[in-house]
Amino acid sequence: SQQGEEDPQALSIQEGENATMNCSYKTSINNLQWYRQNSGRGLVHLILIRSNEREKHSGRLRVTLDTSKKSSSLLITASRAADTASYFCATDGAGANNLFFGTGTRLTVIP
Amino acid sequence: SQTIHQWPATLVQPVGSPLSLECTVEGTSNPNLYWYRQAAGRGLQLLFYSVGIGQISSEVPQNLSASRPQDRQFILSSKKLLLSDSGFYLCAWSVGQEAKQYFGPGTRLTVT
Repeated sequence: SQQGEEDPQALSIQEGENATMNCSYKTSINNLQWYRQNSGRGLVHLILIRSNEREKHSGRLRVTLDTSKKSSSLLITASRAADTASYFCATDGAGANNLFFGTGTRLTVIP
Repeated sequence: SQTIHQWPATLVQPVGSPLSLECTVEGTSNPNLYWYRQAAGRGLQLLFYSVGIGQISSEVPQNLSASRPQDRQFILSSKKLLLSDSGFYLCAWSVGQEAKQYFGPGTRLTVT
């Protein structure tokens, strides 16, 4: 399966702390994306990093990609209670038309 | 701007009954369309995708089918629901080769 795996499955932190989530995948990719899902809602795209990029920033988000290790990390700095959600990585699989989602990290930010 | 609609938002159906979930996209033309299922506390499983009217690809063998009767309409169906069909069904769209997908609000299906 090309599906990625996030680690940890669940993470609980205090407001203001940083949250780091990791994603591992199995096949070569063109890009990797991170999505967020609030409970019972659809997914929202956060950030995309291409296979030739190593790091990307968007506001309080920082994503890294290590294609040699087939892994990525998502860092959320200065977390807020509103960041409480599940976070998923998704890979395209080189040449594929579809996205393959990981199992997600459930982040809880305690006010 | 583009928007995506799914209905119904929630659905409770008995085993053996038929199913029809609808997804429509506004504000874009010739989108790629996707149906995903998410089991409780799990990741997303791609069920079907479509790159054009009448063009449907299935990712997993199952009790469900999909149709795309119009450019921006994607329908998920079943003739007879199974208990295992329960889950959260998400529709998504993308454009061309752009990798980013845009998701609808989802339909919570409970088969009893």
